Amino acid sequence: DVKVTQSSRYLVKRTGEKVFLECVQDMDHENMFWYRQDPGLGLRLIYFSYDVKMKEKGDIPEGYSVSREKKERFSLILESASTNQTSMYLCASSLIGQALNSPLHFGNGTRLTVT
Amino acid sequence: SQQGEEDPQALSIQEGENATMNCSYKTSINNLQWYRQNSGRGLVHLILIRSNEREKHSGRLRVTLDTSKKSSSLLITASRAADTASYFCATFTGGGNKLTFGTGTQLKVEL
Repeated sequence: DVKVTQSSRYLVKRTGEKVFLECVQDMDHENMFWYRQDPGLGLRLIYFSYDVKMKEKGDIPEGYSVSREKKERFSLILESASTNQTSMYLCASSLIGQALNSPLHFGNGTRLTVT
Repeated sequence: SQQGEEDPQALSIQEGENATMNCSYKTSINNLQWYRQNSGRGLVHLILIRSNEREKHSGRLRVTLDTSKKSSSLLITASRAADTASYFCATFTGGGNKLTFGTGTQLKVEL
């Protein structure tokens, strides 16, 4: 089975801190994604990557950046955390091409609180 | 705005009953997928239906797709307490290699 591992389940950070959220997948998937999930808003795509060192903006990239130096690892960076970034962050991976009917495999999420 | 919108937002049924959730979307799709999320966990893929398919089954799950109405439904038959979770539809439109999720239906199955 595909395993997507997020480094922290819970994280508490202060406003203005630089925050790193790490995600690792073990199935050699090309695509990796970062979503945030908020009540009433569902999942919103922040960034995704379809190859090493490649990245694409999702629907809400403002305030975030990403890094993909190795195929198995995709990091989400909050350059200067703000309280409106308090949320559940979900990482996912998939084989290349959703059109080829490849589902997403999710990690268990990181609940980030910014105080 | 969300591509997919689930209806109802919340559903409470008794064990053994069937549960039906609906998803409407706005633009043409390549495929539509359903996911389940248990409280505080990540999402788990349930079933994928392509735009040229009308119905698909997987165990107690039945998914239908009506592209003329831009809608899909997920039926869970003979529900169990373990089916209690949030259910999301997600659409792939072929551009940008990404899925767009709806806001989800919270299903509660009571003993």
